[in-house]
Amino acid sequence: GAVVSQHPSRVICKSGTSVKIECRSLDFQATTMFWYRQFPKQSLMLMATSNEGSKATYEQGVEKDKFLINHASLTLSTLTVTSAHPEDSSFYICSAEGASTDTQYFGPGTRLTVL
Amino acid sequence: KQEVTQIPAALSVPEGENLVLNCSFTDSAIYNLQWFRQDPGKGLTSLLLIQSSQREQTSGRLNASLDKSSGRSTLYIAASQPGDSATYLCAVKRGGKLIFGQGTELSVKP
Repeated sequence: GAVVSQHPSRVICKSGTSVKIECRSLDFQATTMFWYRQFPKQSLMLMATSNEGSKATYEQGVEKDKFLINHASLTLSTLTVTSAHPEDSSFYICSAEGASTDTQYFGPGTRLTVL
Repeated sequence: KQEVTQIPAALSVPEGENLVLNCSFTDSAIYNLQWFRQDPGKGLTSLLLIQSSQREQTSGRLNASLDKSSGRSTLYIAASQPGDSATYLCAVKRGGKLIFGQGTELSVKP
């Protein structure tokens, strides 16, 4: 199956700093990428959808100025958590979908801890 | 608004038992339904995908059914093994987006 990677797998940062998470589709072109957030023992909540070369579409309640998403190429999307605070600590998961498939392939996730 | 519910939230069974996980959704206008497995601290592994026109899908010891009219899906796991221990999530696809249930945390005891 298709492979999606995320980097880093875990990051610890101080409050007020910005953190960038990368999501890459390794063996297919991802026309659409999705970013999810998951709190402990809870389900995945969609944060935003991004199409290559376009601005991301954010879900209701997600601050677009805080969670910056860039989908500059067909294999890479980035999520930048700006001015991170402890409440931003969570597990962030990306997924990617190609033009010829209706299946989302998920990355392994990034554990963000803000001190 | 589409809502997805999974019952039970947690399940513990002895090794070898057959078991059923349940998923219900409020809006039957879905594109497809997918079952995923998630190990602690890891991403999602897709298990089975059922298109809206299909009734069931099978892969090895797993069988997933879909009844769109009643808004229900079940994941049947035959002859459970300790390696099946994980959280199982169902998700419906609508409007290009996946909407997830809360998951069922399964523990299979040796």
